[in-house]
Amino acid sequence: GGIITQTPKFLIGQEGQKLTLKCQQNFNHDTMYWYRQDSGKGLRLIYYSITENDLQKGDLSEGYDASREKKSSFSLTVTSAQKNEMAVFLCASSRGQGYYAEQFFGPGTRLTVL
Amino acid sequence: GDSVTQTEGPVTLSEGTSLTVNCSYETKQYPTLFWYVQYPGEGPQLLFKVPKANEKGSSRGFEATYNKEATSFHLQKASVQESDSAVYYCALSGPSGSWQLIFGSGTQLTVMP
Repeated sequence: GGIITQTPKFLIGQEGQKLTLKCQQNFNHDTMYWYRQDSGKGLRLIYYSITENDLQKGDLSEGYDASREKKSSFSLTVTSAQKNEMAVFLCASSRGQGYYAEQFFGPGTRLTVL
Repeated sequence: GDSVTQTEGPVTLSEGTSLTVNCSYETKQYPTLFWYVQYPGEGPQLLFKVPKANEKGSSRGFEATYNKEATSFHLQKASVQESDSAVYYCALSGPSGSWQLIFGSGTQLTVMP
């Protein structure tokens, strides 16, 4: 087994601020993902990374940067926080494709922008 | 492109009643199909997955059959409990060469005691 750790659990920012969210996994998975989840809505893919130093844009990448510093960690930066923004950011990892595309999720970082 | 459509929520049921959450998909490939469950305050977790047509997956009293002809993967449970209150996501593995899962929009289930 393994675990995905996301820090911080709660993040409060100011409008226009640059904010960084961090994710660590000990599954030894190659692929990692960042999703955004708005209240009552589904999962929207922001970025994913197939391997260390790789970055692939998802449908919602505008306004975000990502960094895969090493196999076990994947960071997401909100480049300019939007006023009254509230969302949960979920990190996930997976072993492979097809049958092995199962993603394991972290508990999320809850963002509030004042 | 590939897509997943599932029952729009919210769905409210009384304890002991049966549940069906519809899931239909579109793809040109032969995907693995997944059901995820997300409890309040947590990330989604895998309920079960099914890699082949006509096979059934099951876990915690939930089950779904991979119906390739109907392109469906409906989630069912005979008797729901209050603890089943959660959001349920249907998903399929992406096209060959893709590392993504294609998720449905989720179905919020509330079970009343």
